[in-house]
Amino acid sequence: SAVISQKPSRDICQRGTSLTIQCQVDSQVTMMFWYRQQPGQSLTLIATANQGSEATYESGFVIDKFPISRPNLTFSTLTVSNMSPEDSSIYLCSVGSDRGSDGYTFGSGTRLTVV
Amino acid sequence: GENVEQHPSTLSVQEGDSAVIKCTYSDSASNYFPWYKQELGKGPQLIIDIRSNVGEKKDQRIAVTLNKTAKHFSLHITETQPEDSAVYFCAASITSGYSTLTFGKGTMLLVSP
Repeated sequence: SAVISQKPSRDICQRGTSLTIQCQVDSQVTMMFWYRQQPGQSLTLIATANQGSEATYESGFVIDKFPISRPNLTFSTLTVSNMSPEDSSIYLCSVGSDRGSDGYTFGSGTRLTVV
Repeated sequence: GENVEQHPSTLSVQEGDSAVIKCTYSDSASNYFPWYKQELGKGPQLIIDIRSNVGEKKDQRIAVTLNKTAKHFSLHITETQPEDSAVYFCAASITSGYSTLTFGKGTMLLVSP
């Protein structure tokens, strides 16, 4: 299965600022996903990012707040914009297998605290 | 859309006991059901998965069963060990790798020595 490197692992940010999270995969994958995990909660899908097209956002998430880039088949970024304390969460990237047989792999996550 | 319910939310067992976590799903089109283990400060790690064309799958101390008619699936851990302590999530999707996962709310498993 794919190996994902996600950066930064954690950060403390001032409200009103933005943070960009990077996700690097060791193999080419068609689909990449970004999730949010609020403290003690389950995973909620933010958006699906395919290379060469606009990301598809889930209900409750908008591009202005969570812009996503997918410049190639091994890399994606998620930006959390104009942050407020309510954005404090773990953000995770995930990739599906292009072979359709190995399921989904997750990065180690970015623990964001907004103060 | 898909809805996945997971029970219990917390489960405490003694080392060596068995643990069972149950999930139900709503979309009969779902055909891929993975289970993830998440340790503190880490991302979810796939521990076992099952597809709708089989009813049971085992991997050493871990097994998953699927009842398509009732739309529920379960994770069974035998001979639990303290290192099994973690949060476990079930999930469902229509097609592995190409579709989005819908997660249950998670089960915190505590294994006491």
